[in-house]
Amino acid sequence: GENVEQHPSTLSVQEGDSAVIKCTYSDSASNYFPWYKQELGKGPQLIIDIRSNVGEKKDQRIAVTLNKTAKHFSLHITETQPEDSAVYFCAATRNDYKLSFGAGTTVTVRA
Amino acid sequence: DTGVSQDPRHKITKRGQNVTFRCDPISEHNRLYWYRQTLGQGPEFLTYFQNEAQLEKSRLLSDRFSAERPKGSFSTLEIQRTEQGDSAMYLCATNAGAGELFFGEGSRLTVL
Repeated sequence: GENVEQHPSTLSVQEGDSAVIKCTYSDSASNYFPWYKQELGKGPQLIIDIRSNVGEKKDQRIAVTLNKTAKHFSLHITETQPEDSAVYFCAATRNDYKLSFGAGTTVTVRA
Repeated sequence: DTGVSQDPRHKITKRGQNVTFRCDPISEHNRLYWYRQTLGQGPEFLTYFQNEAQLEKSRLLSDRFSAERPKGSFSTLEIQRTEQGDSAMYLCATNAGAGELFFGEGSRLTVL
């Protein structure tokens, strides 16, 4: 099955700086790569996703890049704000319904 | 609130007891998923329904676990003879097809 590794496990950044989270996956047939944000006591919420036919996608301060050859993808958050503090999960799948999640990155934005 | 609703939010039980969790999906969503999340880890897939049909079960779902979705609406996840290793957050998610999963806030199980 798919194995997703995520780094770093914790990330502390100064407000206004950028944050980068990296993930690698094992199944070369994976074709859908979403990123979820989970706040304390809540379920994960999708923030951005990318499919394998696209190399990069951007939505305001958030961007995701995908390198299919190297089997890794990254989340970039620019101009971080305190409300960006949360746990972020990457995921990968080949079949749209069975996501394999990374272990998560706890992001803390220092004011 | 028209999001995914899960009940109860927190359940404390003694080892060996049975527990049942309920998930009410977003009304137009025909797909429903159960995931399990332990502390410090990402969610792990347990099972998936399309309408009332259970289409896949993870090997994580032992014989003590059973999930149903009668009439393709709400779903229940039952754990029989609970063990301490079952302590986790049980997340329900739904969608109308490929793409974004809409998660509920989860049901946290503590087995003493």
